[in-house]
Amino acid sequence: GNSVTQMEGPVTLSEEAFLTINCTYTATGYPSLFWYVQYPGEGLQLLLKATKADDKGSNKGFEATYRKETTSFHLEKGSVQVSDSAVYFCALSRTNAGKSTFGDGTTLTVKP
Amino acid sequence: DADVTQTPRNRITKTGKRIMLECSQTKGHDRMYWYRQDPGLGLRLIYYSFDVKDINKGEISDGYSVSRQAQAKFSLSLESAIPNQTALYFCATSNMLAGELFFGEGSRLTVL
Repeated sequence: GNSVTQMEGPVTLSEEAFLTINCTYTATGYPSLFWYVQYPGEGLQLLLKATKADDKGSNKGFEATYRKETTSFHLEKGSVQVSDSAVYFCALSRTNAGKSTFGDGTTLTVKP
Repeated sequence: DADVTQTPRNRITKTGKRIMLECSQTKGHDRMYWYRQDPGLGLRLIYYSFDVKDINKGEISDGYSVSRQAQAKFSLSLESAIPNQTALYFCATSNMLAGELFFGEGSRLTVL
């Protein structure tokens, strides 16, 4: 079956540090890959996505590249801010299956 | 107003009580989902529905039931609540082509 493995947290960084959150997946076929973010007290919202191999998703300074050869979709940001403190979820979806599979989430705390 | 609205946002109840969590959406999406979030376990799918006449079990459906009253409404019921159903519950919607999920703000349920 499908599965998503995320880097375990929590992750604590100082403001302006470089961020990487690792995500690898197992899936049949060609899934779409997503990063969702959950700010405190809120629901999840889409941060970025990629639908095919070598696609790069980007938003708000975050980037992730769909690497089929390594089955990975690592999230990166060059300079984090305190406002980036949140829980980040990697997910995959195969459109014809209609369901998404989520990783366990990685909690990021950015200190001033 | 939010595109995906969940009620109640918070609920405390006792073991054995029947509870209903309601979800309504204004996005016009056919697909609706109920997820459960527990610390360190990510999101787990309880039930999903691709249209009004289609209901499917997810990975953790035992102890839960759902009703799709209309395209825009999808309710989750706990017929006899137990303490290990204490969790944060999310409703989500999607359209068939994009694959991304749109989440409500969550319903925090505590079963004493």
